[in-house]
Order: sequence, then C-alpha cells, then structure tokens
Amino acid sequence: AQSVTQLGSHVSVSEGALVLLRCNYSSSVPPYLFWYVQYPNQGLQLLLKYTTGATLVKGINGFEAEFKKSETSFHLTKPSAHMSDAAEYFCAVSDRTGNQFYFGTGTSLTVIP
Amino acid sequence: KAGVTQTPRYLIKTRGQQVTLSCSPISGHRSVSWYQQTPGQGLQFLFEYFSETQRNKGNFPGRFSGRQFSNSRSEMNVSTLELGDSALYLCASSPIPSGGGEQYFGPGTRLTVT
Repeated sequence: AQSVTQLGSHVSVSEGALVLLRCNYSSSVPPYLFWYVQYPNQGLQLLLKYTTGATLVKGINGFEAEFKKSETSFHLTKPSAHMSDAAEYFCAVSDRTGNQFYFGTGTSLTVIP
Repeated sequence: KAGVTQTPRYLIKTRGQQVTLSCSPISGHRSVSWYQQTPGQGLQFLFEYFSETQRNKGNFPGRFSGRQFSNSRSEMNVSTLELGDSALYLCASSPIPSGGGEQYFGPGTRLTVT
C-alpha cells in the first residue's frame, strides 16, 4: 500500500521568504503525485501534479515541486511567500492503477508579515 | 464546466439522528469519492463510487454508507449520529477511478452534531 509523509504539521515563514513544504512517499513504483491547497472553510484545490516526464513541475500561484525518485520525495517550494499563501497544504499520491488516492496529514503554512 | 457541488453546505444535527449529504460531480465524471476531515484525524477516505458501484471503502463503521445514481450524483448517509461525526465532509470527482489521476473537490458540507 502507498503512504505519504508530510514533515512538519506547522510551518511558519516570513513574507518574502522561501517556502519549503516536505513530502515523502513510499511506493515500489513511481506513483502519480499531487499537491493540494485548502483555504479556510473551502475544499481542496489542485496546485500541481506529476504524472510523467519532466521532474520539475510548475503549478499555480508560483509554486513548484520536484519529483526525486531516488529520495522518494516531492517537496513543494515557492521562492517568495505572500500573505495569501497562508493555508493548509496536502500532498497526495495515487498508484496509477486506479485503486485509491492517499493523502498526507497536511501542513499548515503561516506567513508572518 | 461547473465544479463539484455539495449540498447542504452547513448542517446541524442531534445525536442519534441520521443525515444525508449530496454531491454532484463535474459533468462527465463517473468517479465520486468521499472524505471526512477533522482537526485531529486529517483527511480520511470514506468510500469511492464509480459507475454506481462502490470500488473502495475506508475504515469507517457501517453507520456510514453511500450510493451513486445513474447520473453520477452521489449521496452519503450517516445513521445514528455521534458527536465524533462532527466534521467537514468533502466529495471529489474524477473522470476515471480516483487512483488514475487527479481529483476535483467540492467545497464540503460542515456537519455539526450536538
């Protein structure tokens, strides 16, 4: 079975600083990988996804993530944090066979002015 | 295309009652998955329906049930509500079974059990 680990349930950064949210997965074969964002009292919105091809994936709102097979990681980054980035971020994987989606426990990002 | 819609958005129920939540997927999407989100447990998978058949089920008691109609709309039912059922219930749709690609989420139904 797949599993997803998000290191750090709470991350605080200063406005303008680098955002780094960590995600590691366990899988015998490279899965599909996703990052979702959730703003208060809303559903989840897809930020970006990796399915195949280029390992550096660019998403919405200036976020990007790099798939590193050797490290089984898919960390999310943004060069300069904005106040509007404060939200909950979820990493997710699916096993490509259509069986199920697996979500991490989420990381709450706080941006300090 | 219209997004995933969930009704109602907010609901207050009393312990012991039952509740039905509704989810309308994006047009053409045949897979609907349900999740329970709580501060303590995070996102927990309830079940997935694809073409009116339950494909997968999470580790929830039998009080939680669901179904999917021929138009892909899905309902989730919780019987004999407990205080611990208070949560945000999210539904997500996709054109193929959920593990094959990304899911699109609705805004959720906030259920409060008193």
